[in-house]
Amino acid sequence: GQNIDQPTEMTATEGAIVQINCTYQTSGFNGLFWYQQHAGEAPTFLSYNVLDGLEEKGRFSSFLSRSKGYSYLLLKELQMKDSASYLCAVRDSNYQLIWGAGTKLIIKP
Amino acid sequence: GAGVSQSPRYKVTKRGQDVALRCDPISGHVSLYWYRQALGQGPEFLTYFNYEAQQDKSGLPNDRFSAERPEGSISTLTIQRTEQRDSAMYRCASSLANSDSGANVLTFGAGSRLTVL
Repeated sequence: GQNIDQPTEMTATEGAIVQINCTYQTSGFNGLFWYQQHAGEAPTFLSYNVLDGLEEKGRFSSFLSRSKGYSYLLLKELQMKDSASYLCAVRDSNYQLIWGAGTKLIIKP
Repeated sequence: GAGVSQSPRYKVTKRGQDVALRCDPISGHVSLYWYRQALGQGPEFLTYFNYEAQQDKSGLPNDRFSAERPEGSISTLTIQRTEQRDSAMYRCASSLANSDSGANVLTFGAGSRLTVL
């Protein structure tokens, strides 16, 4: 079967750095996405990786290792508004998105 | 429109009634997806369209669920003879590109929360 694993919940301190891991086992691979979802709101796109390596976008970076079936989302200089769920999704060989359950990130002052 | 619009935002219905959920995607977006999302979970795929063609409906739970997008724009998800287990947040998403193109970024609507009593 297809599976996306991410930690259920993480806690970090305002101003710090946090890394949210995602491991996947899917039928084929055509890209990995990270979405942010604030409580009660719709998911919004953060990043896309299809080749190995690091993609940096401001305070957020996303890393991919296809050989290890592994990605992480790195958030720097954490702000209270970063408190949200972070969803990892992999597009499989049929170009369907397989979603993880999301990681709830709690930021403390 | 500027974003993906879904209606109604909230729907409470009695068991056995039919409901229709509407999605108006971003103008010009080719692909349209329907998902169901439980609290604390990721989106669960239901079905998707490229233009007016339904490409995959493998995620629809049973034959009480159906969807259409007759003119390649607005889509309707219909649930017949609703059951309590159908209660959930139903989200629509659209993307500019075909489902099999590169960074096919989805823009989600605010969702329709369905409660079946």
